Amino acid sequence: GAVVSQHPSWVICKSGTSVKIECRSLDFQATTMFWYRQFPKQSLMLMATSNEGSKATYEQGVEKDKFLINHASLTLSTLTVTSAHPEDSSFYICSAPRGGGASSYEQYFGPGTRLTVT
Amino acid sequence: KNEVEQSPQNLTAQEGEFITINCSYSVGISALHWLQQHPGGGIVSLFMLSSGKKKHGRLIATINIQEKHSSLHITASHPRDSAVYICAVSSGNQFYFGTGTSLTVIP
Repeated sequence: GAVVSQHPSWVICKSGTSVKIECRSLDFQATTMFWYRQFPKQSLMLMATSNEGSKATYEQGVEKDKFLINHASLTLSTLTVTSAHPEDSSFYICSAPRGGGASSYEQYFGPGTRLTVT
Repeated sequence: KNEVEQSPQNLTAQEGEFITINCSYSVGISALHWLQQHPGGGIVSLFMLSSGKKKHGRLIATINIQEKHSSLHITASHPRDSAVYICAVSSGNQFYFGTGTSLTVIP
């Protein structure tokens, strides 16, 4: 089956620093990838849609200058949390649809990245 | 009001029991997804459907577009089925997620 990887799987950083999370589709190309955030005991929340070759689309309430998304190639999207604060501590997950760019296609999820900001 | 409502929130079952998790939604959708999230956090897409019924092993998913309702059934439940099950709908390029159903299957 299709595989999506994320790196790192967990990271601890100090307040004020930036952290980059990578999402890769290993055996298929993805023109679109989705980034989610999940707080403890809560469901996923879509943060943004990453589009290869163009700007990301952010959901309402998500600061685009704080959560920088770059879709550098058809197999790689990165999410950079800039000037991280403790409230940014969360589980960040990406997904990629295989066979199309839309959310209506089956999603393949990465294993997630647990970010802890101290 | 959430666009996607799931029930029950928590469910405990004995091994072997038949389990049903329900999902209702209020928006027009292009597809409905059932996801499984294990305690470690990893998410697996179980089903994507836009009509009718799909079956994979002991899992069955149904959707009624007119009633805006979907169910996920697990037959002959097993402790390894213990996880959080999340219903999500695609509407345009939007995703709406249910709050999840936490399932515990006791041996």
